[in-house]
Amino acid sequence: KNEVEQSPQNLTAQEGEFITINCSYSVGISALHWLQQHPGGGIVSLFMLSSGKKKHGRLIATINIQEKHSSLHITASHPRDSAVYICAAASGNTPLVFGKGTRLSVIA
Amino acid sequence: NAGVTQTPKFQVLKTGQSMTLQCAQDMNHEYMSWYRQDPGMGLRLIHYSVGAGITDQGEVPNGYNVSRSTTEDFPLRLLSAAPSQTSVYFCASSSGLGYNEQFFGPGTRLTVL
Repeated sequence: KNEVEQSPQNLTAQEGEFITINCSYSVGISALHWLQQHPGGGIVSLFMLSSGKKKHGRLIATINIQEKHSSLHITASHPRDSAVYICAAASGNTPLVFGKGTRLSVIA
Repeated sequence: NAGVTQTPKFQVLKTGQSMTLQCAQDMNHEYMSWYRQDPGMGLRLIHYSVGAGITDQGEVPNGYNVSRSTTEDFPLRLLSAAPSQTSVYFCASSSGLGYNEQFFGPGTRLTVL
């Protein structure tokens, strides 16, 4: 079974800072998902990637297949980025395995 | 499209009561799943289905039943509620496993007294 670890568990940043959230997994995957959950809110998909890098606005996701590691970066962070960020690993036809999430607070 | 809908949004039960959490999607997705989310534990898979008539257990299936009679609906039944089942429950759907975007419902917050 894939083990998915996220770090850090909690992160507090000042507005404008560059933020990095890390995700590592133990078994080869077909896709790595990044999800966002605002306080009291639902869960939305941010990225799916199987190689390289993807960018959407101020968010960038990268993956290194050889090292079994992915990162989510937020440039010029803003208080509205405060949320829990979750990574999940997909392997073949087995259900997703989720990390425990990183709680981000961005202070103005 | 409504996406993934869940009802109710909130529910309070007494120990021993039974109830059904409803989940429906209008995207013709084959894969549907139920998760519970507890503080510090992340999302844990309860049951999932890869198509109508096909269900399987996830990581924490005890105390829950599911069925999938149609592509659209995937209800989760609590047979005899226990305080340990107090949690937030999310239903999700996708076209399949692997490289397919996951769509989540808004969640149901369940408290068992």
